[in-house]
Amino acid sequence: QQPVQSPQAVILREGEDAVINCSSSKALYSVHWYRQKHGEAPVFLMILLKGGEQKGHDKISASFNEKKQQSSLYLTASQLSYSGTYFCGTEITSNAGNMLTFGGGTRLMVKP
Amino acid sequence: GAGVSQSPRYKVAKRGQDVALRCDPISGHVSLFWYQQALGQGPEFLTYFQNEAQLDKSGLPSDRFFAERPEGSVSTLKIQRTQQEDSAVYLCASSLAGYWPQHFGDGTRLSIL
Repeated sequence: QQPVQSPQAVILREGEDAVINCSSSKALYSVHWYRQKHGEAPVFLMILLKGGEQKGHDKISASFNEKKQQSSLYLTASQLSYSGTYFCGTEITSNAGNMLTFGGGTRLMVKP
Repeated sequence: GAGVSQSPRYKVAKRGQDVALRCDPISGHVSLFWYQQALGQGPEFLTYFQNEAQLDKSGLPSDRFFAERPEGSVSTLKIQRTQQEDSAVYLCASSLAGYWPQHFGDGTRLSIL
């Protein structure tokens, strides 16, 4: 089942912060975050494993709350280059093997 | 090093024609994935290969869709008797193993007239 992302879209001024949320109805093995610019390939940002952790590089970080089956992506002091669509992918484990399902995306626009 | 390469970038076909989309993964990547991405939506899983073995094809929408990776490297997604609803961007991704992390190609934009 597809994870739910919120908000669907957000507009920021350069330097502002944003939070993108991803929630699932199933127990998660891991959460993956990607960013896709228009007409380009999705680009990997980070993976968070179950056990609850927080990761980050530069001014983009993420947390994973295993109990709530939720992950949040934090964009701090946004830059113009952060514009794009952010997708979370939730990985679940089943008898048939692991499966990664992407959410519908959050469109982020950073304006000067 | 080269990334994931997909060809053609754009494909226009008439309804009922067969099409073949090619994916050249990153050298040494064991896992290969195909996704379908409709406009404004997230990538939707189609199928997954580990080397030449197709481990999961549960996302293929109908028996008109067929994927292969005969030598464990290049993969081809074939769509027979195309329909208008097949119009989408088809993304290929590869990874060293399993689902992590995936490196995507730029996709093939398929338009069925």
